[in-house]
Amino acid sequence: QQQVKQSPQSLIVQKGGISIINCAYENTAFDYFPWYQQFPGKGPALLIAIRPDVSEKKEGRFTISFNKSAKQFSLHIMDSQPGDSATYFCAASMFVSGSRLTFGEGTQLTVNP
Amino acid sequence: DGGITQSPKYLFRKEGQNVTLSCEQNLNHDAMYWYRQDPGQGLRLIYYSQIVNDFQKGDIAEGYSVSREKKESFPLTVTSAQKNPTAFYLCASSTRVKSNQPQHFGDGTRLSIL
Repeated sequence: QQQVKQSPQSLIVQKGGISIINCAYENTAFDYFPWYQQFPGKGPALLIAIRPDVSEKKEGRFTISFNKSAKQFSLHIMDSQPGDSATYFCAASMFVSGSRLTFGEGTQLTVNP
Repeated sequence: DGGITQSPKYLFRKEGQNVTLSCEQNLNHDAMYWYRQDPGQGLRLIYYSQIVNDFQKGDIAEGYSVSREKKESFPLTVTSAQKNPTAFYLCASSTRVKSNQPQHFGDGTRLSIL
């Protein structure tokens, strides 16, 4: 019930293409869904986050789509750039547990020039 | 600049030895967390602390111990009871424990067995 399932495990996209990473969860008590970006040898950094009262949130080239009924959310990276090559993690948390996050397994994104 | 400092960046442990990983934050955050990262497994929560002198076990606490004597500091000890300690360890912090606030991460400590 606490798991967050992430796919694909790895993704290769051409420069200028759209990168799509998907996550699914079981626990309907989750009410905060952040995405983190991690470069090799560094800690994850918050990229964008959404709450379940909205279906989409966009920040620059990054968009989260949220489907509450399907218990799924996804990250879309438009006009993908080689600098976007990193590992991306989705996560989820519940208000009642404070900021304790449950992470997906991660997606290694490679954007070819 | 405010942030989270983890040290050392690389650490080697001999068999039967305890080692301590340091985590310091100057963000004035209430909550602090320790995660373990293994390839293909995401981040798994080891311990977390919501206030000074209080901490709770996460999902994989066995073989680890922590203390929270100061708001700024949350050291993690990897004990000899942890049989597979080789991993990348990440410390994080966040504000306002009872609301969903983003976690800020340090740049990690990579622990290896000698």
